[in-house]
Amino acid sequence: GAVVSQHPSRVICKSGTSVKIECRSLDFQATTMFWYRQFPKQSLMLMATSNEGSKATYEQGVEKDKFLINHASLTLSTLTVTSAHPEDSSFYICSAPKLAGGTNTGELFFGEGSRLTVL
Amino acid sequence: AQSVTQLDSHVSVSEGTPVLLRCNYSSSYSPSLFWYVQHPNKGLQLLLKYTSAATLVKGINGFEAEFKKSETSFHLTKPSAHMSDAAEYFCVVRSNQAGTALIFGKGTTLSVSS
Repeated sequence: GAVVSQHPSRVICKSGTSVKIECRSLDFQATTMFWYRQFPKQSLMLMATSNEGSKATYEQGVEKDKFLINHASLTLSTLTVTSAHPEDSSFYICSAPKLAGGTNTGELFFGEGSRLTVL
Repeated sequence: AQSVTQLDSHVSVSEGTPVLLRCNYSSSYSPSLFWYVQHPNKGLQLLLKYTSAATLVKGINGFEAEFKKSETSFHLTKPSAHMSDAAEYFCVVRSNQAGTALIFGKGTTLSVSS
């Protein structure tokens, strides 16, 4: 079946540095990918929709200059947390929709997530 | 607009007893509904989905859910809990409007005691 892979699974960085998280669809093409953020013991909050070949669409309250999203190919989307601060520490999860005959079935395949800790 | 409400933040059951995780939804369109499970520090796994076919949906690991339009509910059940069922469960709604991402409920933590 289709698989979405995220890398790195865990990253620790110093405050003020930037961190890049990759999301790859391994055996299917994804023109759209979604980035979610999950705080401890809380639900997933949609951050942005990544669109291949065009600008990402950000949800209200998400700083686009802080969370840079690039979807340069049909199998890769990246999220870069710029000038990270301790409050950016979180679990970031990407996902891509499953298509059937070119139609979005609504089911998402999720990466295993990337846990970011900013010291 | 669409939203989903999980009525219980935490449910505790004994092994071998039934499980009921409650979910109510709101959607401007005919919705697609999902239940996902997340084990600690892991990604999300789809348990089951409703997409306007049969109202009683059977999923993996013995779980099932019933779509009740009159009650705007999509409760998740399992006849007999297993220790390995302990996890976080998310009820999720998607508008059938094209391109809409999934909207997650706040989650229900299921604890199973022996």
